[in-house]
Amino acid sequence: GAVVSQHPSRVICKSGTSVKIECRSLDFQATTMFWYRQFPKQSLMLMATSNEGSKATYEQGVEKDKFLINHASLTLSTLTVTSAHPEDSSFYICSARNADRANTEAFFGQGTRLTVV
Amino acid sequence: LAKTTQPISMDSYEGQEVNITCSHNNIATNDYITWYQQFPSQGPRFIIQGYKTKVTNEVASLFIPADRKSSTLSLPRVSLSDTAVYYCLVGAFKAAGNKLTFGGGTRVLVKP
Repeated sequence: GAVVSQHPSRVICKSGTSVKIECRSLDFQATTMFWYRQFPKQSLMLMATSNEGSKATYEQGVEKDKFLINHASLTLSTLTVTSAHPEDSSFYICSARNADRANTEAFFGQGTRLTVV
Repeated sequence: LAKTTQPISMDSYEGQEVNITCSHNNIATNDYITWYQQFPSQGPRFIIQGYKTKVTNEVASLFIPADRKSSTLSLPRVSLSDTAVYYCLVGAFKAAGNKLTFGGGTRVLVKP
């Protein structure tokens, strides 16, 4: 089946540095990808919609300058957490659907555990 | 997207059938009902999707009454490995660009 891959699976960074998370659709093209964050024992919260070749659409309350999203190709979207702080520590998950298939479920990456120290 | 309401948690035992009901009173005509499973520190995994009546696959069954204001995910003969959080989502998200918004989910604990 279709696979969405995230890298890295976990990362620890120092406060004030930036971290980039990659999301790839391995065997299909995704014109749109979605980024979520999830805190312990909580549900997934949609952060933004990543659109290939155009600007991302951010959900209310999500700082676009803090969470930079780039979707330069049909198989890759990146999320960069800039000037990370401990409160940015979370589980980040991306999702994508096959743009060529009308009726298909969304596939999720395995997630990236970010710890800011 | 239609708001969904699920029980926060459910306990079961190995070999039993688990039924999780999701309420979605404001479901729209074009909305589908989709269920995802999530294990700790993993991304959600698609289980099943339906529009009306009954859908069955190798993993689960989905029962949707005629008014579509609720749905029930049925997991037959659960095992310990079915311990996870189950999310019910409702929306017209057949198109690739339509986003998925998650509710609280149901934490299912399967005991030996």
